[in-house]
Amino acid sequence: QVQLVQSRAEVRKPGASVKVSCKTSGYIFANYGVTWLRQAPGQGLEYMGKITGDKGFTNYAQTLQGRVTMTIDTSTTTAYMELQNLRSDDTAVYYCARVELSRVYEYWGQGTLVIVSS
Amino acid sequence: DTQMTQSPSSLSAFVGDRVTITCRASHGIRDSLAWYQQKPGEAPKLLLFAASRLQSGVPSRFSGSVSGTDYALTISSLQPEDFATYFCQQYYSSPPTFGQGTKVEIK
Repeated sequence: QVQLVQSRAEVRKPGASVKVSCKTSGYIFANYGVTWLRQAPGQGLEYMGKITGDKGFTNYAQTLQGRVTMTIDTSTTTAYMELQNLRSDDTAVYYCARVELSRVYEYWGQGTLVIVSS
Repeated sequence: DTQMTQSPSSLSAFVGDRVTITCRASHGIRDSLAWYQQKPGEAPKLLLFAASRLQSGVPSRFSGSVSGTDYALTISSLQPEDFATYFCQQYYSSPPTFGQGTKVEIK
């Protein structure tokens, strides 16, 4: 069965970086992209960007350009999202999800809480 | 970006009630709309896509409809396990955008 398992919660100080992993299994990694979304406390979902599973082509949300980097490791079928120069308003639960052909999100990771606090 | 305006932000209802949640798109999205259910501490679960197509395994009491740029999610008879937050998402244009959510609570 398709599974996406994310790394554990992180606490960072403002200005630091965080890298979240998303280990996938149960499908052909190269056939699907992975998207990253985040959800601030009590808020809706925000699209951060996506990365293809074959060549690692990326598309980032304009609001995060220059601070976010998404990568893949095809040998371990793992996707990564790194966010730099963290601010307090980056505090959120970060999700990875498989990008379906229909462009909706059927399979999700369990979420990773990132807290940015001095 | 296409803005998705979802209403209401919260509602209270009894088990067995019929409940409707709506999303309005700021631009045409050609029925490229999905609905998700999210329970506390969990990832969202896909309920419907293409405005009205039920995801496999989702109970038939959930349905979707469209009128122009207004999209609706209806739960025909609310069950105890349906108390959750519901989000809409448009995927017609990039970036995909989400409504702010509707929290459905027990009355």
